[in-house]
Amino acid sequence: DTGVSQNPRHKITKRGQNVTFRCDPISEHNRLYWYRQTLGQGPEFLTYFQNEAQLEKSRLLSDRFSAERPKGSFSTLEIQRTEQGDSAMYLCASSLAAMVGGPTAYEQYFGPGTRLTVT
Amino acid sequence: KNEVEQSPQNLTAQEGEFITINCSYSVGISALHWLQQHPGGGIVSLFMLSSGKKKHGRLIATINIQEKHSSLHITASHPRDSAVYICAVSGYGGSQGNLIFGKGTKLSVKP
Repeated sequence: DTGVSQNPRHKITKRGQNVTFRCDPISEHNRLYWYRQTLGQGPEFLTYFQNEAQLEKSRLLSDRFSAERPKGSFSTLEIQRTEQGDSAMYLCASSLAAMVGGPTAYEQYFGPGTRLTVT
Repeated sequence: KNEVEQSPQNLTAQEGEFITINCSYSVGISALHWLQQHPGGGIVSLFMLSSGKKKHGRLIATINIQEKHSSLHITASHPRDSAVYICAVSGYGGSQGNLIFGKGTKLSVKP
C-alpha cells in the first residue's frame, strides 16, 4: 500500500491557462474526494466519486472545473482559464465504502496535495 | 457562522503540558473526524468517532452528540506534536460523502 499520491506536487501557471492534476487513490478504495484549501483555512469539499460515478459536486465547483474518474481508479481535476483566486492547495482523499448498507461515514486517507499558484 | 467551529485558533504550549482543542458543530452528523496537518500540506486522520471516546497513544478524542461538541486531548505534549489539528464532520444522506472542516487549530509545543 503506497498511500494516496498526487501529481504534480507544485504547479505555477499564468492566468488564463488550463491545468490538470492527477490523483491515484489507495488501490482498493472505491471512493475518491477532491478538496481545496487556501492559506489559513480548513479544506473545502469540491466533489467526490464512488467508482467512476461522480456523486456530489459543491457549488464551489464552477463550470471552469471538471473532474473525472474514467475507470474508477485514478482521477483528474482540470481547471480551465485559471484565475488568481484559484491559487490553493488541491487535496485528494480516498476511502473504502460499503456498496450497500454499512456505516455512512468512512475514514479518509489524504494525499500530499498539489499546490497551485496562478500568477 | 461556520458549521464547524474550533477553539482556540492558535495554541502554544510547553513540552509536557496537557492540551485540549475543542470543536463545536451545528449540523447533524454521522461522524466526527480529527485530522492532523503538518507544514507542507499532508493530512493524516487521527480519529473518526460517532459516540463516546477513543484513545490512541497520547491522544484522546471525545464527543458529546447531545451538545454537538468534541474535544481532542494530547497528554504529555512533545514538540513533534506541533501541527495544525482540524476537526471535520460527515453529514447524512446526500452530504454523507464529503467532510465539512473547521479552520484548524495551530499547535506549537516548545521544548
